[in-house]
Order: sequence, then C-alpha cells, then structure tokens
Amino acid sequence: DAGVTQSPTHLIKTRGQQVTLRCSPKSGHDTVSWYQQALGQGPQFIFQYYEEEERQRGNFPDRFSGHQFPNYSSELNVNALLLGDSALYLCASSRDNPYEQYFGPGTRLTVT
Amino acid sequence: AQKVTQAQTEISVVEKEDVTLDCVYETRDTTYYLFWYKQPPSGELVFLIRRNSFDEQNEISGRYSWNFQKSTSSFNFTITASQVVDSAVYFCALMPNTDKLIFGTGTRLQVFP
Repeated sequence: DAGVTQSPTHLIKTRGQQVTLRCSPKSGHDTVSWYQQALGQGPQFIFQYYEEEERQRGNFPDRFSGHQFPNYSSELNVNALLLGDSALYLCASSRDNPYEQYFGPGTRLTVT
Repeated sequence: AQKVTQAQTEISVVEKEDVTLDCVYETRDTTYYLFWYKQPPSGELVFLIRRNSFDEQNEISGRYSWNFQKSTSSFNFTITASQVVDSAVYFCALMPNTDKLIFGTGTRLQVFP
C-alpha cells in the first residue's frame, strides 16, 4: 500500500518563474492538504482540496493555487516566484477523519 | 487566536538522559486535537501521537510519554533514556475545530553519544 508520494523531490527555479508540485494521496484517501515549511519554521497550512474543490485556505496570496483531479491527486502551483517561496512543500492526505493526516516526503523548492 | 508555542528552540543532551519537550497551545474551541510529529533530516514528518481535548490521560509508549494538562494548555513530551536516533526536530501541532494543523516552530533535539 503506497503512502503519500510527491514529485519532484527537489526543484530549483528563478525569481518570477512558475512552478507546479504534485502529490498522490495514500490509497483510499480523498482529501489533500498542502503545507509550506520555511527553513527553521513549522509547516504552515496553504489550502485543502476535497472533491476537486478548495475547501479551506490559509493566509497565502493568490499566487498560490491548486487543483485536485478525479483520482484525488493534487497539484500546487505557485506563480511569480519570490525568494521567500523557497521552502519544503509538504502534502498530506486523509479520508473521513481529518485528524488522521498522512504526510508525504515533501518537495524542496529553491528560488534563486 | 489559535497558536502553538514551543519555547525551546534547541536542546542538547547526552545519551541516556531524559529530556522533556514543552508545548503550550491556545484555542477557544472546546473540541480540538493535539499532535506530536518527529522530523528527521530527511524531512518527512513522522506521526508520534494524537490526543483529543476530552482525553487528559497521560500516555506512555516505550521510551516516549506525553503529559496533557488542559488547565495549563500544555502537551509536553518526554523521552526517557534518550538515544542518538532520537536526534531530530520535534513539532507540536494543534487541530482546532477545522481540518488544518497549526504547528509550533519546533524543537531541535540533539542527542550526543
């Protein structure tokens, strides 16, 4: 039974570019949440997707957008990258019980 | 405000010492969950424990134990007889009456042989 997977593992982008990160939830899970973890900080909630809709959102600008596909996988898109977007991006999935979230290994994004 | 405070930024101990990681939370919700996660250098968050707001029983799992006190809004984590493999960053997190986790800033634990 595969857990939560994320791709790519690492990514280097230039300021102003756009990036797409991908997440496949644990088998049977239908809800995907995204978190941003800056260096030396705790993860911060970006948004959550359920039934292909954004269900709730944290305090992130509109440059951060997402999508959920019918197979429950999800994408996180960030436009007009800033140096401050450099972080580890974590995806978590769940089903029915939001307090049982399983985290993926993360994508480390570096913006130069 | 909903918030988690981990005042200890970094703790260093020698193997076999006991160590307690502090966590203080704020929420006005009566129903909430508290969590501890371990983050080794690889970056993946490893779930350690979950507690709901109605269960104040302390819990022990091997060398790990947790002390939940609603009166002081604290959920502290103790490692007994620490080992080098316990070296990691530990996060305390709160899930109020929503589906999102609110994390503290983490405590880096270094266990030296």
